[in-house]
Amino acid sequence: KAGVTQTPRYLIKTRGQQVTLSCSPISGHRSVSWYQQTPGQGLQFLFEYFSETQRNKGNFPGRFSGRQFSNSRSEMNVSTLELGDSALYLCASSLEPGASYEQYFGPGTRLTVT
Amino acid sequence: TQLLEQSPQFLSIQEGENLTVYCNSSSVFSSLQWYRQEPGEGPVLLVTVVTGGEVKKLKRLTFQFGDARKDSSLHITAAQPGDTGLYLCAGWMDSSYKLIFGSGTRLLVRP
Repeated sequence: KAGVTQTPRYLIKTRGQQVTLSCSPISGHRSVSWYQQTPGQGLQFLFEYFSETQRNKGNFPGRFSGRQFSNSRSEMNVSTLELGDSALYLCASSLEPGASYEQYFGPGTRLTVT
Repeated sequence: TQLLEQSPQFLSIQEGENLTVYCNSSSVFSSLQWYRQEPGEGPVLLVTVVTGGEVKKLKRLTFQFGDARKDSSLHITAAQPGDTGLYLCAGWMDSSYKLIFGSGTRLLVRP
């Protein structure tokens, strides 16, 4: 069974630009969560999607948005990039949302903003 | 301010030594998970503990959930270079319906 895949793996953008990251969950998984990982703040929850609906959101500005498609694939978008947005963006999928279901992480997208 | 504090932040030990990593909070979690992350990869789930006082063993790794479900520990016996990585604890908060990650412990096991 294929794991969680994220594309692209690496991305370099300039301040002010926008970026879209993609995540394909494990087959059969319907919940997708996004996290930002930085050396200073660690792993922080961005948002979670289930059945094409955002179920939960972390404490990030409105420049961070996402969506989920009917096939459970998800994208996240960051507009007006800032230097501080440089991070590893991780996607995790689970069968359903909630504590009873284990999350499986993808390898991440390394975003560098210059 | 991190909701889940891990200690130590960094640990460099010789192969064969034992070590313990701690994960502490003032909040109660319905479950707590431990992950290991290697460079260039996403975190990989090692274990989930759900009952206060629960102890789980995974080969040389022993995980414990505190009685009050506010803290946890990971003990590694006879560490090997393959144990090198970033260890993350994560607690599930029913109140916010999200997984909260600790600050991480970076472990280096020298041959």
